[in-house]
Amino acid sequence: DTGVSQNPRHKITKRGQNVTFRCDPISEHNRLYWYRQTLGQGPEFLTYFQNEAQLEKSRLLSDRFSAERPKGSFSTLEIQRTEQGDSAMYLCASSLDSRGADTFGSGTRLTVV
Amino acid sequence: DAKTTQPPSMDCAEGRAANLPCNHSTISGNEYVYWYRQIHSQGPQYIIHGLKNNETNEMASLIITEDRKSSTLILPHATLRDTAVYYCIVRVDNTGGFKTIFGAGTRLFVKA
Repeated sequence: DTGVSQNPRHKITKRGQNVTFRCDPISEHNRLYWYRQTLGQGPEFLTYFQNEAQLEKSRLLSDRFSAERPKGSFSTLEIQRTEQGDSAMYLCASSLDSRGADTFGSGTRLTVV
Repeated sequence: DAKTTQPPSMDCAEGRAANLPCNHSTISGNEYVYWYRQIHSQGPQYIIHGLKNNETNEMASLIITEDRKSSTLILPHATLRDTAVYYCIVRVDNTGGFKTIFGAGTRLFVKA
């Protein structure tokens, strides 16, 4: 297993378009987390899954954002009707359990023009 | 929600110990202290975590004060590759929910 994989690495989209990002966690990890990070700031928690169940969503996750983790394996994060304020690095992390060490992916950098 | 306070930047000489402080004076009894670091253009890397007791692993040591209001991450022999932003966070994950808040971190510069 090569760690947490995120695709694409970079995405440039026009305002108003929909985008979808994919995260492939470490295969035996039950927990999967999504974060957003803007320049000069630490990551901000968005949501997490325990297997296929989405257990927590941050207030940051507006109704334009949706995340899924079908079958408890990979996860997707979709942003509808993108806005310039959505430009950020979107990070995915996974862990074996609730207090284990998280492994982060390298992120997907979204630029909305 | 407990938040953390860290100095914005620190310098350390290569080969010396780097001691990174973190204040978390409002931490609750069920919140853990986690440390991560992030090298430019990469995702954060987990370093260590603890609840009450001091912890050590192959990367670092974590010293938590008895009142749990502050902690120190120690990199025993800093190298140039340890130059990164270090984040101290408090995190809770129980039946009451999951909370984790990253601050702006400490930018550590290791100099030759």
